[in-house]
Amino acid sequence: DAKTTQPPSMDCAEGRAANLPCNHSTISGNEYVYWYRQIHSQGPQYIIHGLKNNETNEMASLIITEDRKSSTLILPHATLRDTAVYYCIYYNYSGGGADGLTFGKGTHLIIQP
Amino acid sequence: DAMVIQNPRYQVTQFGKPVTLSCSQTLNHNVMYWYQQKSSQAPKLLFHYYDKDFNNEADTPDNFQSRRPNTSFCFLDIRSPGLGDAAMYLCATSFGRTNQPQHFGDGTRLSIL
Repeated sequence: DAKTTQPPSMDCAEGRAANLPCNHSTISGNEYVYWYRQIHSQGPQYIIHGLKNNETNEMASLIITEDRKSSTLILPHATLRDTAVYYCIYYNYSGGGADGLTFGKGTHLIIQP
Repeated sequence: DAMVIQNPRYQVTQFGKPVTLSCSQTLNHNVMYWYQQKSSQAPKLLFHYYDKDFNNEADTPDNFQSRRPNTSFCFLDIRSPGLGDAAMYLCATSFGRTNQPQHFGDGTRLSIL
């Protein structure tokens, strides 16, 4: 796993969309971008992942730039329960092996009432 | 519904007294991981089992050992805990050689007296 760059903290008003950026300029062509979050005193929770197309699930949307050097996680209607540390990580395991995740410092997202 | 279960959630041990933390999973994943997370830091991989094969990270202290008696269970043994080993210990699972995400338990918080 290699390094990503995320802002250390962000605020967002409840009910608004939260847009969390991540730079991964050294990503290679077969590496996926993953987002996890960690709510206080809980284990990390998987949110979403993608390779090059934009992805959406029940939790969030993932927008990956065409050059794949950055991505944005979008929480469309943030609630107080979305307050957490959000980690952006990239890797490709399908080629073999099962190395664990290398977490950066993440972004502490605080949802304001 | 918990798929990766860690017991206990909180563990207190004495300086130098061996302690074992446990993890079980209902996902039938072939890979199990142990991470250490110290206060205000990101999780850090200690080691993982790929099926029965143990894979240690280069900087994991010898004081930390692991056992995996079967697919569902994995244990973390700390032979002689020091004050610096106080941390949250997270267990995670995944299917190896795929890009499916890891699933984490809620961790065991270890305190050293």
